[in-house]
Amino acid sequence: DAGVIQSPRHEVTEMGQEVTLRCKPISGHDYLFWYRQTMMRGLELLIYFNNNVPIDDSGMPEDRFSAKMPNASFSTLKIQPSEPRDSAVYFCASSWLASSYNEQFFGPGTRLTVL
Amino acid sequence: AQSVTQLDSHVSVSEGTPVLLRCNYSSSYSPSLFWYVQHPNKGLQLLLKYTSAATLVKGINGFEAEFKKSETSFHLTKPSAHMSDAAEYFCVVSDHRAGANNLFFGTGTRLTVIP
Repeated sequence: DAGVIQSPRHEVTEMGQEVTLRCKPISGHDYLFWYRQTMMRGLELLIYFNNNVPIDDSGMPEDRFSAKMPNASFSTLKIQPSEPRDSAVYFCASSWLASSYNEQFFGPGTRLTVL
Repeated sequence: AQSVTQLDSHVSVSEGTPVLLRCNYSSSYSPSLFWYVQHPNKGLQLLLKYTSAATLVKGINGFEAEFKKSETSFHLTKPSAHMSDAAEYFCVVSDHRAGANNLFFGTGTRLTVIP
């Protein structure tokens, strides 16, 4: 199994540009999570999906952020327009309900820098 | 509500000496608890998990943790630190509300190993 796959691994963009982060969960997993990690705020849950349906998006910081999961094997996190304070590492994770009590498997992360 | 408190933001030990990373939890339910490790510029990797079986849990790389309900603790230990153990460690509790499948992360403990 390839694990959770994220792309790109690094993204540098200018303020105001649209940024799209991508995630492919582990096959067979029915939960997908997006997290953001910064030095100041640590690891924050942004949104999670179950069977492609958003369950809890209360962690999405503002309307500039949106996430979609069009099918079981693909999800995107979009920031439009991006701002320097969005600079962070964004992690995707997946799990399945029948697993041993919610263990999540993390991708390698996307390091986003907004200039 | 579920939460975890990691009592030390930074722990420094000499190579070959014991490691103790402290974690206390709060949960309205019988909790599932995890320790994740994050090496520099890497994603999070599961070290070990407690899921109401044995209270002493053994994980990868010689780490173990003991669930103590009376103390609401789940401290992580290792008898002898290795240079490769230098990383950030997160204590995590699972959300067991009906229909939920997310995790609550502590703020992390950075472990430094001195040669």
